[in-house]
Formats: sequence, structure tokens, C-alpha cells
Amino acid sequence: EPEVTQTPSHQVTQMGQEVILRCVPISNHLYFYWYRQILGQKVEFLVSFYNNEISEKSEIFDDQFSVERPDGSNFTLKIRSTKLEDSAMYFCASSVGQGYQQFFGPGTRLTVL
Amino acid sequence: GDSVTQMEGPVTLSEEAFLTINCTYTATGYPSLFWYVQYPGEGLQLLLKATKADDKGSNKGFEATYRKETTSFHLEKGSVQVSDSAVYFCALSDIQGAQKLVFGQGTRLTINP
Repeated sequence: EPEVTQTPSHQVTQMGQEVILRCVPISNHLYFYWYRQILGQKVEFLVSFYNNEISEKSEIFDDQFSVERPDGSNFTLKIRSTKLEDSAMYFCASSVGQGYQQFFGPGTRLTVL
Repeated sequence: GDSVTQMEGPVTLSEEAFLTINCTYTATGYPSLFWYVQYPGEGLQLLLKATKADDKGSNKGFEATYRKETTSFHLEKGSVQVSDSAVYFCALSDIQGAQKLVFGQGTRLTINP
């Protein structure tokens, strides 16, 4: 069964460093999402992406964040200058269309020291 | 904005016990409602969903009914198994835009043999 994959599973970085989290959505899906979950808190929506542009973003998704679909398969989340409070589990999701089921990857745990 | 409130965890039950995890929501429109499950080391998986009032979603012995009058979507299972141990997330999706998911805080369920 097709699945969303994410790499790395765990990323440790120093405060102020740039990180790129990678996701490979399901191949025929058109909508892509990033969510995050700070330890002990809710899963929060960050951004949705369709047709090579952001379709919606949350207040969390400020200028430090960017997303890109650099080729036909990858979907990346970049954090330019990480802060301690960016430490969280980041989930990628994809769906075949608007309003269809979102399939989630296993997540990347980001630890900012 | 839209929000989801879930029963606080963790919840520990014995095998074959009856399970209820409460979920209530606040939404401006008529959202779709979901239960997602996360097994250890895995991503979020859709467990069941309901798209309109009085709909009942069901899967793997779990069920939940969309109650508009009480703005609730409680998850139930008549007889839990050890394999049901996981974290359960209640969520809603808005009907506008890319239909991002709004999650509750998750409830960790542990079933003892």
C-alpha cells in the first residue's frame, strides 16, 4: 500500500542553524501538508500546498519557514534559523484532492539545542 | 477559530473493557469529523470519519457518532484488545480552502492483558 515517507526520523540541530525536513508524498496526490506537535501539545497545522504554491498557512508559519516541491516526488519544509521552541515532531501529509483523506507520514522529531 | 477538545489521558484499561474517549468540538460551519490513531513509531492513521450530523463512522470495532446538538464525536469500542494500545486523536476539517485538520490533544490508551 502506498505510504508517505519522511526523512530523517530524528534531527538534532543547534539553535540558529537551518534544517530541511523531507517528505515523499504518495505519488498521485496533489495536496500536501505539514503539521507539527510540540511534546505534550496538540498536533497543529502549519501549511498546505497545491499546484506549486501555498494554499493556506497558519500563524505559526512565519518567515522562518518555507516549503518547496523541488522535483516530482519530494516535499520539503525548511526552517531558516531554528529556535528552541521549534523542537517538535513534524508530520507531512498528502491527499489526492481537496476534502479527501489525508495520509500521514511517521514524522520527523526535531530537537533544537 | 475552530477547536477540538479531547478527554485527558492517559487511559489504562484491562482487555475486553468498554472504551469511551470523549471529544467535543467548536466550529463555525459544519465540519467533517475524524478519529486518527497513532501506533508506536508510526504516523497518524485515519480510524474513522463522519461528514454530517447523525452519521456514524466505524472501523475495527470502533465507532463514533456525529452529534451536532452536543457538538460531540465520542469514540467507543465495546471490547478493547492489547493491540488497541495507541494514541487517539480527534480532529475536524473545515469546509473551506484546503481543508486543514484541527486536532485535539490526543489521548494515550494502554490496554493491559
